[in-house]
Amino acid sequence: DSGVTQTPKHLITATGQRVTLRCSPRSGDLSVYWYQQSLDQGLQFLIQYYNGEERAKGNILERFSAQQFPDLHSELNLSSLELGDSALYFCASSETSGGVYEQYFGPGTRLTVT
Amino acid sequence: KNQVEQSPQSLIILEGKNCTLQCNYTVSPFSNLRWYKQDTGRGPVSLTIMTFSENTKSNGRYTATLDADTKQSSLHITASQLSDSASYICVVSARRGGADGLTFGKGTHLIIQP
Repeated sequence: DSGVTQTPKHLITATGQRVTLRCSPRSGDLSVYWYQQSLDQGLQFLIQYYNGEERAKGNILERFSAQQFPDLHSELNLSSLELGDSALYFCASSETSGGVYEQYFGPGTRLTVT
Repeated sequence: KNQVEQSPQSLIILEGKNCTLQCNYTVSPFSNLRWYKQDTGRGPVSLTIMTFSENTKSNGRYTATLDADTKQSSLHITASQLSDSASYICVVSARRGGADGLTFGKGTHLIIQP
């Protein structure tokens, strides 16, 4: 158990809908990262927050947005969902953001868009 | 363009045998290289992190090597066990701190057969 929690574990929804994925980082970790992993694809970095502020952006679609709240939990919002958004979404956390830092991954949320 | 190439794509070996997974990268400027183990449907778990000055690092039966001159790394698994069946992901960090500096390989899918 990494100490990172994600809810829900599974989510099935229809095209065009909007969903929110939630992540609670390890105690003491200030940085949260979101990743997407499609079937047979590598991990794709979406976005990173550090202590409430956006720190880095990857290949995140405009239909997707995220935020980190004062209690450091984070939410990833996916809207106007398409079939191709079906994937595993992982959250990770770390103490810091720069230098050599360990990332701890959550168990993931499996999103299925039908 | 920063890239991480892993080989082989997949590998099947018998329980008890050793194996070596390869990672070649073109990330620059280099900061550190990580190996993760990802069980199917679960979040990646860190095995090792190596910086420029480290050329070998062990974690139990896992030994990672790094040649920063040739930009190659390998992960050697000794006396494989059925629980080693997983995807192994090589991640290289560029020296700019944020998660957008991480480049992920597509992974090697390892199957250990009894």
